[in-house]
Amino acid sequence: EAGVAQSPRYKIIEKRQSVAFWCNPISGHATLYWYQQILGQGPKLLIQFQNNGVVDDSQLPKDRFSAERLKGVDSTLKIQPAKLEDSAVYLCASSPTRTRRVDEQFFGPGTRLTVL
Amino acid sequence: AQSVTQPDIHITVSEGASLELRCNYSYGATPYLFWYVQSPGQGLQLLLKYFSGDTLVQGIKGFEAEFKRSQSSFNLRKPSVHWSDAAEYFCAVGASNNDMRFGAGTRLTVKP
Repeated sequence: EAGVAQSPRYKIIEKRQSVAFWCNPISGHATLYWYQQILGQGPKLLIQFQNNGVVDDSQLPKDRFSAERLKGVDSTLKIQPAKLEDSAVYLCASSPTRTRRVDEQFFGPGTRLTVL
Repeated sequence: AQSVTQPDIHITVSEGASLELRCNYSYGATPYLFWYVQSPGQGLQLLLKYFSGDTLVQGIKGFEAEFKRSQSSFNLRKPSVHWSDAAEYFCAVGASNNDMRFGAGTRLTVKP
């Protein structure tokens, strides 16, 4: 079974530029998550999708971050414009649950973003 | 909201020695608890999870964890550490809506 795929693996941009990350979850997984992991910290949830609907985006900085999950499969996370403090690893995860209950999350390898 | 504290930022153990990584959580209801491991440049891999039942949980790679409700703890243990166990370890607590909160992590260094 293929795991969670993310691209690109690395990205370096100047501040005020825009950037987009892509995630393809494990086939059949209903729930998809985007996390931000700043160096030395644990992952912080940015947004959670159930199929193509948003379940939780309370910690997403909506003035600059946006995410979508069209057709309930793959997802993109965009930052526009980027700030220096957005430098982090962006992790995508998926879980099979179709209900609002706790389940194991499967993580992709992440995208390391450096903002100069 | 739930929260997790991992008191040790960095731990160094000798290969073959035993290991215990501490995790304390705060959550008003029954917690769903997880330990994940992250190797450099990799995503997180689940080691074990506790939802209910036996409070001593066995995981992959020889790890185990014990849930102690009275101490709000879920410490991770391994009787004999291998060099390949060097990594970052994250404890996490999940709420009923699958909202997962992670601790800051403990970095494990293994001395030869």
